[in-house]
Amino acid sequence: EIVLTQSPGTLSLSPGERATLSCRASQSVSSSYLAWYQQKPGQAPRLLIYGASSRATGIPDRFSGSGSGTDFTLTISRLEPEDFAVYYCQQYGRFKTFGGGTKVEIK
Amino acid sequence: EVQLVESGGGLVQPGGSLRLSCAASGFTFSSYWMSWVRQAPGKGLEWVANIKQDGSEKYYVDSVKGRFTISRDNAKNSLYLQMNSLRAEDTAVYYCARHSSGWSYRPFDYWGQGTLVTVSS
Repeated sequence: EIVLTQSPGTLSLSPGERATLSCRASQSVSSSYLAWYQQKPGQAPRLLIYGASSRATGIPDRFSGSGSGTDFTLTISRLEPEDFAVYYCQQYGRFKTFGGGTKVEIK
Repeated sequence: EVQLVESGGGLVQPGGSLRLSCAASGFTFSSYWMSWVRQAPGKGLEWVANIKQDGSEKYYVDSVKGRFTISRDNAKNSLYLQMNSLRAEDTAVYYCARHSSGWSYRPFDYWGQGTLVTVSS
């Protein structure tokens, strides 16, 4: 099983600031089968990024993903009020796993 | 419009059984892998199981193997999760989710709203 570790657990930032979220895998993630999701309270997750760096349909370009192998990053260039949420990384090999999440909260 | 609507959740005693359903609409259900994902109260996401388009391949997380069974009925555009020998640690919101194309190695592009399963005496 590939274990994904996200850091930090909580990120306290102000609107307009840049957010950098990390996801580290216990072993190499094949062919960049790495996705990022956003989840707001009481809602289902929403796909943001797949293939480590490709934005899903309708996702604003302030969201970007990078990385390969075992180290991946989600960057939100300038936080909008609607971006404060919990973010999860996921590897979608044969047995899928999620990271523990990073909460982005308003400072 | 793609829609996934789960049902069947509720309160069940430890050791009991429950069957979850997910009704799909707005897309060709028989063309997609489908998964169940759960989220314990206040916790993160955990993938539970997935199933191939024709039901010929199924995969499970270790913690539910031998207790849960995923199935589908393409004629009814429905996905199911039969949960037996339920434990307190199975308490969670259960989501059904669609893989983004006709392959297992794809992220989940559509999710249902979830159904809550509570295992307690």
